[in-house]
Amino acid sequence: GENVEQHPSTLSVQEGDSAVIKCTYSDSASNYFPWYKQELGKGPQLIIDIRSNVGEKKDQRIAVTLNKTAKHFSLHITETQPEDSAVYFCAAWRFRSAGTYKYIFGTGTRLKVLA
Amino acid sequence: GEEVAQTPKHLVRGEGQKAKLYCAPIKGHSYVFWYQQVLKNEFKFLISFQNENVFDETGMPKERFSAKCLPNSPCSLEIQATKLEDSAVYFCASSQSGTKGYGYTFGSGTRLTVV
Repeated sequence: GENVEQHPSTLSVQEGDSAVIKCTYSDSASNYFPWYKQELGKGPQLIIDIRSNVGEKKDQRIAVTLNKTAKHFSLHITETQPEDSAVYFCAAWRFRSAGTYKYIFGTGTRLKVLA
Repeated sequence: GEEVAQTPKHLVRGEGQKAKLYCAPIKGHSYVFWYQQVLKNEFKFLISFQNENVFDETGMPKERFSAKCLPNSPCSLEIQATKLEDSAVYFCASSQSGTKGYGYTFGSGTRLTVV
């Protein structure tokens, strides 16, 4: 079946260091890959996304890379700050046919940025 | 508005009681999605709507769960005869498209506790 594996499940980094979270998807027809940040007691918030026709996308301290051949994509956060501490989810999406599309979410990575 | 409004924030029900959750999507977003998030942070897809029509209900436990999105009313998710395992945070999300990958805007969730 379709699934998205996400690693690591927890990640602790020192403030100012970089953090990398990786996801691997199984459905080669997936063509849209968002990343969400979920803070305690809140709903997930979209922080960056990438489509399958692009290999990399950057937004200030956050970047996402996509390797379609290997079917994996990664979130990179540079110069981490305490407010980056949260749970991060990746997702893969494809449109199959009317009424059967949805995201497949990864299992989440709890990132702790240590001051 | 620019946020997905979910009510109530917290709901406590005795086992066997009914629970009803509400979601007002962002104006202009014609797709609404319901997810259940349990203790291990995993997101379980329940159902999606395109306007008032069910788009995908493959995740719904149909015997006790039902959902509606009626014109000019918040969408609702209803659980008849709640069970202990229904305890979770229920998220609603909306999106402007169902035929292209677009990020979802999530609400802040309803925490359902069944005692």
